[in-house]
Amino acid sequence: DGGITQSPKYLFRKEGQNVTLSCEQNLNHDAMYWYRQDPGQGLRLIYYSQIVNDFQKGDIAEGYSVSREKKESFPLTVTSAQKNPTAFYLCASRPGQGGYTEAFFGQGTRLTVV
Amino acid sequence: GEDVEQSLFLSVREGDSSVINCTYTDSSSTYLYWYKQEPGAGLQLLTYIFSNMDMKQDQRLTVLLNKKDKHLSLRIADTQTGDSAIYFCAESNSNDYKLSFGAGTTVTVRA
Repeated sequence: DGGITQSPKYLFRKEGQNVTLSCEQNLNHDAMYWYRQDPGQGLRLIYYSQIVNDFQKGDIAEGYSVSREKKESFPLTVTSAQKNPTAFYLCASRPGQGGYTEAFFGQGTRLTVV
Repeated sequence: GEDVEQSLFLSVREGDSSVINCTYTDSSSTYLYWYKQEPGAGLQLLTYIFSNMDMKQDQRLTVLLNKKDKHLSLRIADTQTGDSAIYFCAESNSNDYKLSFGAGTTVTVRA
């Protein structure tokens, strides 16, 4: 089955610790995205990547880092510099530029800082 | 995001039509999308429209686009309890890969 997988579904982190969220897709998509969802604020773009070894900051990149060493993987690290990291994180992928392309989403990771 | 705006809540009676509105700022937006999110899950594409179209109909869904006013709407006919969800408007263009979403409209269907 082709799809996009995020893990874990729930994650708890102590304040001051870094944590990495996993996102893997086997759809052979070029582009991958990370969004943060907070009540009343919708989806805000953190980072996106158009191709392997390349990525761009989104609207709220501060306190986050990413890597894109493989086409199928786009992990997101929430660093201790992120002041309010508790949120629902969504990863997405889509085939790429040029014409209409549908974005496919993972089921999300709910991060709670304790 | 700031590029796409939606009202946050909509309550509708079962069987009535729902209309969800969205405005966007990027005049180069080429593709406009409506996504649906069930509680605790990811998003699924409902429908989309190209910027050179005014209207698109797909079963109970009708999308209207006013490109001059940068206004997009989604009409759901004969709204059912299963339509209760958060609906997101999104836009992208041909120039880059960025995909921007609105804040989402929470639709509640009451009996």
